[in-house]
Amino acid sequence: GDSVTQMEGPVTLSEEAFLTINCTYTATGYPSLFWYVQYPGEGLQLLLKATKADDKGSNKGFEATYRKETTSFHLEKGSVQVSDSAVYFCALKLIRDNYGQNFVFGPGTRLSVLP
Amino acid sequence: EAQVTQNPRYLITVTGKKLTVTCSQNMNHEYMSWYRQDPGLGLRQIYYSMNVEVTDKGDVPEGYKVSRKEKRNFPLILESPSPNQTSLYFCASSLVYSGEQFFGPGTRLTVL
Repeated sequence: GDSVTQMEGPVTLSEEAFLTINCTYTATGYPSLFWYVQYPGEGLQLLLKATKADDKGSNKGFEATYRKETTSFHLEKGSVQVSDSAVYFCALKLIRDNYGQNFVFGPGTRLSVLP
Repeated sequence: EAQVTQNPRYLITVTGKKLTVTCSQNMNHEYMSWYRQDPGLGLRQIYYSMNVEVTDKGDVPEGYKVSRKEKRNFPLILESPSPNQTSLYFCASSLVYSGEQFFGPGTRLTVL
């Protein structure tokens, strides 16, 4: 079945460090890919997205490139801040035969950034 | 303010007592969806709706029902809750095929 795998957390970094959170997926068809972020006590918010192979999504200094050959969508940021501490979810969206759309999320990676 | 609201935010109930969690959005979105969030499993889609009167199962629909009689509302119904339905539930909405879902604040349900 369709699935999303993320690196195990928690990830703890010092402020201004480089961040990579790995995400790989298994899907039938051609999914769109997303990174969502969840701050403590809140619902998820879209961080960035890519809809086809080689697309790069970017927002707030975060980037991810849709790599079809490696079925990956790794999240990167050059210099993290304390305010980036949150749980990050990789997700895919598939359009079904009946034109319905189904989302599959990874387990989430908790990031803690220390001052 | 554009938002997705859920009620109640917290609920403790007992096995077998029917309950409904309401979800409402004010953004005129066609697509609405329910998820449950469990530690180590992330979010799993329960049901979704592409528009009024159009609903479909997600990955974990067993034990849940939904209805979409109005565009803005998408209630989640647990006819006979069981302890394995103890979880954090999120409702979300988006323009159809957009992919940018807007999430509600969550409902923490405990079934004893």
